[in-house]
Amino acid sequence: GAVVSQHPSWVICKSGTSVKIECRSLDFQATTMFWYRQFPKQSLMLMATSNEGSKATYEQGVEKDKFLINHASLTLSTLTVTSAHPEDSSFYICSASEQTTTDTQYFGPGTRLTVL
Amino acid sequence: DQQVKQNSPSLSVQEGRISILNCDYTNSMFDYFLWYKKYPAEGPTFLISISSIKDKNEDGRFTVFLNKSAKHLSLHIVPSQPGDSAVYFCAASDRGSRLTFGEGTQLTVNP
Repeated sequence: GAVVSQHPSWVICKSGTSVKIECRSLDFQATTMFWYRQFPKQSLMLMATSNEGSKATYEQGVEKDKFLINHASLTLSTLTVTSAHPEDSSFYICSASEQTTTDTQYFGPGTRLTVL
Repeated sequence: DQQVKQNSPSLSVQEGRISILNCDYTNSMFDYFLWYKKYPAEGPTFLISISSIKDKNEDGRFTVFLNKSAKHLSLHIVPSQPGDSAVYFCAASDRGSRLTFGEGTQLTVNP
């Protein structure tokens, strides 16, 4: 149990375009979903926390107008990178939790974004 | 400000021996600690956790030790197997808040 999927697993796009990444909890209802970003050989950096039906809480330094997060249902959250630029190229990982605390987060497989 | 630090970017051990991965933290509000294992191009997989009310938690070949006074935790893997080769992240939280990850340690277990 506790499977989280992400789609797509990788995407290449042109600079200036927008990219949507989906995160789904397949066998449980995710009260809270988290979006992380990982640069090569670096830690996972939390970008934002979203609870179903409410606005996401963004970490300091993360542009909420650039990284749009929607958590419309208990099994789906989306991250849209708007007007992507090469510096947005990264590995984006989501996680989901049945609770509002962070104790039991289940991670998705990640999405590799490359912006040309 | 890196609140969770893994000072060893890499560790290499022989199959069958013990692997010890270390993690230090600075935030005294952290009261829950986790270890994750990550393969390239995949998301992290939860391994083992420990609450601050404990100093040891064991699960099969994996044992996590917590030294609160030193703000230090370690993950012991014994015996190490080639399939354990991966990046290991420690993470910390104060309950109800977000996870803070360390930089990761690449473990290589040589046959």
